[in-house]
Amino acid sequence: NAGVTQTPKFQVLKTGQSMTLQCAQDMNHNSMYWYRQDPGMGLRLIYYSASEGTTDKGEVPNGYNVSRLNKREFSLRLESAAPSQTSVYFCASSEGSTSLNTDTQYFGPGTRLTVL
Amino acid sequence: QKEVEQDPGPLSVPEGAIVSLNCTYSNSAFQYFMWYRQYSRKGPELLMYTYSSGNKEDGRFTAQVDKSSKYISLFIRDSQPSDSATYLCAMIDTDKLIFGTGTRLQVFP
Repeated sequence: NAGVTQTPKFQVLKTGQSMTLQCAQDMNHNSMYWYRQDPGMGLRLIYYSASEGTTDKGEVPNGYNVSRLNKREFSLRLESAAPSQTSVYFCASSEGSTSLNTDTQYFGPGTRLTVL
Repeated sequence: QKEVEQDPGPLSVPEGAIVSLNCTYSNSAFQYFMWYRQYSRKGPELLMYTYSSGNKEDGRFTAQVDKSSKYISLFIRDSQPSDSATYLCAMIDTDKLIFGTGTRLQVFP
């Protein structure tokens, strides 16, 4: 099993450009998450999807959109990138599908995004 | 004030030392407590998971929760250079998982 995979690994954008970060998991998990990790801020939840067909905002959703394409895939889109979105982005998945999700989250390797 | 506070380090110790990593929190509703380990340029991986107060041991690692003091700890015995990583505490409040900022640990031979 590959676990959680993310593409691309690195990306450099100019302000105003758009891009989509891809995430896939092969563990048949119901829930998937997008986080960003910044120095001194820790991991912050951007969006999550508790089951196929549902998405909800996390702590820092502004400037992002998500799509739960199917049970395996959860993408994060930046419509008009800003320097403040320079960060490391992690996708994660967990087995549960309820709002109280105490299941272990498994993380992907991350995407390092720089917005100039 | 952040809900979860964690000293960023770095914490540098010699091989074989006992390491103590700590987090404090302000929300008394937290019931589930976790420690994640994150190697450089990798995603976090779950190390320990405890529910409510008490101790949990797994090999060289012991997780301790003191809900009365709103304080959690991770102890690493006989630390190894391979333990060098950033350690993130995390806690669950109803439907959200809150992470600490992480403590960077360096174990030198």
